[in-house]
Amino acid sequence: NAGVMQNPRHLVRRRGQEARLRCSPMKGHSHVYWYRQLPEEGLKFMVYLQKENIIDESGMPKERFSAEFPKEGPSILRIQQVVRGDSAAYFCASSPPPRGEKLFFGSGTQLSVL
Amino acid sequence: SQQGEEDPQALSIQEGENATMNCSYKTSINNLQWYRQNSGRGLVHLILIRSNEREKHSGRLRVTLDTSKKSSSLLITASRAADTASYFCATEDSGGGADGLTFGKGTHLIIQP
Repeated sequence: NAGVMQNPRHLVRRRGQEARLRCSPMKGHSHVYWYRQLPEEGLKFMVYLQKENIIDESGMPKERFSAEFPKEGPSILRIQQVVRGDSAAYFCASSPPPRGEKLFFGSGTQLSVL
Repeated sequence: SQQGEEDPQALSIQEGENATMNCSYKTSINNLQWYRQNSGRGLVHLILIRSNEREKHSGRLRVTLDTSKKSSSLLITASRAADTASYFCATEDSGGGADGLTFGKGTHLIIQP
């Protein structure tokens, strides 16, 4: 049973470009969470999704950021018109129901904006 | 300070010694969890303690929870070089806050061989 898979592992973008981060949860997990981590900081919650539904996006900036978890395929975190301040490690986690219990994390995507 | 604040920020001890890390939080919680993160990697779940529990053990780990003080401690006994990592506490808010876990900034633990 493969763990949470995130790709790419590293992503370099120039200011103004779009970044797409992918996350495939563990088999049988229907809950996906996205977190952002800045250097020497803890993880900041961004968004919580279930299949085809955004349950809580209270931690996600209103502009330029969007997330989806379609019926088929991985969850996608999309950042449009990236700025240098978007540079961070983005982690995806999944869990089986019920929510709020143990989370299983991917290895993260390190986004660098030039 | 933010929910899930760990103390100390950094800790360096000799192999074989015990390491104790503390976490304070602000809101009412359903559970509190501890995670470990090795450099450049994702977080790994260590242990979960529910709000109605006071102490829990798992191998060399011992976690306590004091809901009256809104604090928790993680004790790692007989530390090993492989325990070198950052340790984060995370809380699940029971008061209808964000659905995700709230993480602290972590304690960076270094075990000297």
